[in-house]
This record gives sequence, structure tokens and C-alpha cells, in this order.
Amino acid sequence: GAVVSQHPSRVICKSGTSVKIECRSLDFQATTMFWYRQFPKQSLMLMATSNEGSKATYEQGVEKDKFLINHASLTLSTLTVTSAHPEDSSFYICSAGQLYGYTFGSGTRLTVV
Amino acid sequence: AQSVTQLGSHVSVSEGALVLLRCNYSSSVPPYLFWYVQYPNQGLQLLLKYTSAATLVKGINGFEAEFKKSETSFHLTKPSAHMSDAAEYFCAVTFGSGNTGKLIFGQGTTLQVKP
Repeated sequence: GAVVSQHPSRVICKSGTSVKIECRSLDFQATTMFWYRQFPKQSLMLMATSNEGSKATYEQGVEKDKFLINHASLTLSTLTVTSAHPEDSSFYICSAGQLYGYTFGSGTRLTVV
Repeated sequence: AQSVTQLGSHVSVSEGALVLLRCNYSSSVPPYLFWYVQYPNQGLQLLLKYTSAATLVKGINGFEAEFKKSETSFHLTKPSAHMSDAAEYFCAVTFGSGNTGKLIFGQGTTLQVKP
């Protein structure tokens, strides 16, 4: 079946640094990729939708300059958390859209210290 | 506005008992509906999906769900709970083309299975 590989699974970074999270669709082309954020014991909150070759569409309240999304190819989308702060600590999950379905990455636990 | 509501943030059942997780949606257009399961620190795994075909949808691990338009519901059931079913379950809906529309998630239901 379709697989989305997300890396890293865990990352700890210092406050003020940037972190890049990658999502790759391994056996299919993902025209559309979604990025979510999940706080402990809560549901997934959509951050942005990215389409290959175009700028991402951010949800209301999401800082586009802090959460940079790049979808340069049909198999790779990246989320860069810039100038990370402790409040950015969270679980980030990507998802690739397919015909009548979505495939999720395994998530990245970001801890900013 | 389109939305999805999961009734009950926490459901506890005994091993072997019926599992029923409730999901209701609101929409003015036909929805595509999904149930996902999430284990701690992992991504989401698709259990089943409704895409306007059969209203009774069978999924993996013995789960099934029935789309009831009149009740705007898509409840998830499993006849006999197993310890391994303990996890977080999310109902989700999209109103786009089925793969490019935004997925809207319910609040999630934690399923506890007691021995």
C-alpha cells in the first residue's frame, strides 16, 4: 500500500534554531500534502496544505514565516520550523492526498529546549 | 459550517465486549467519511472509509461503520474488543474531491479495553 515516510521521528533542538521535517511518498506521487500539528491528548489541527510547485495555503492563525512549507517535487514535502521556541514543541504529522484517501506519515515529536 | 463531532472523549469496554464509537457530521454536501486509529507517538492508520458507495463499510481489524444520512452519523463498531484495540480513534470528514479536500477531524475518542 501507499507509504509516506516522515523523518525525523523525534528531534530535540535549542530555542532559536530551525528544524526541518521531511515527508516522502515512497510509491506514489503526492500532488497535495497536508501538515498537521497535534497537542497531547488532542485532535489534529491542520496547519497548511501544499500543492507541488506552488505556495502552501496556511490555515488561519498559522504563522507562515515560522512554519515554512516546501513541496518542490511530487514525492517530497518539507516543513521547517524557524526560530523554534518551547511553545512550538508538539507532534507534527504530514499526510498525502490520494484518490479518495489520505496516507499519514508516522509523525515527528519536536521538543524545543 | 461543516464539522464532525465525536460523542464521548473516553470509552471503556471489557475485552470481548461490543465497541461503539460515535461520530456525527454536519454538511450541506455529500461527505467522504473516515475512521483512523492512532497509537501513542505514531501517525494515523486508516480503519475504513465511506466514499458514497455501500453504506455499510467494513474495515481492518474487524471494524465496520454504517453511514446513515438521515442521522448524519458514521458510528464505528466492532463486535468483540481486543486488548490491542486500545488506542485513540478519530473520525474525519472531507467535502472535497476525496483526496485534495481538507480533512476535518473530530476531537478523538480514547478507547480503553479492560481485561
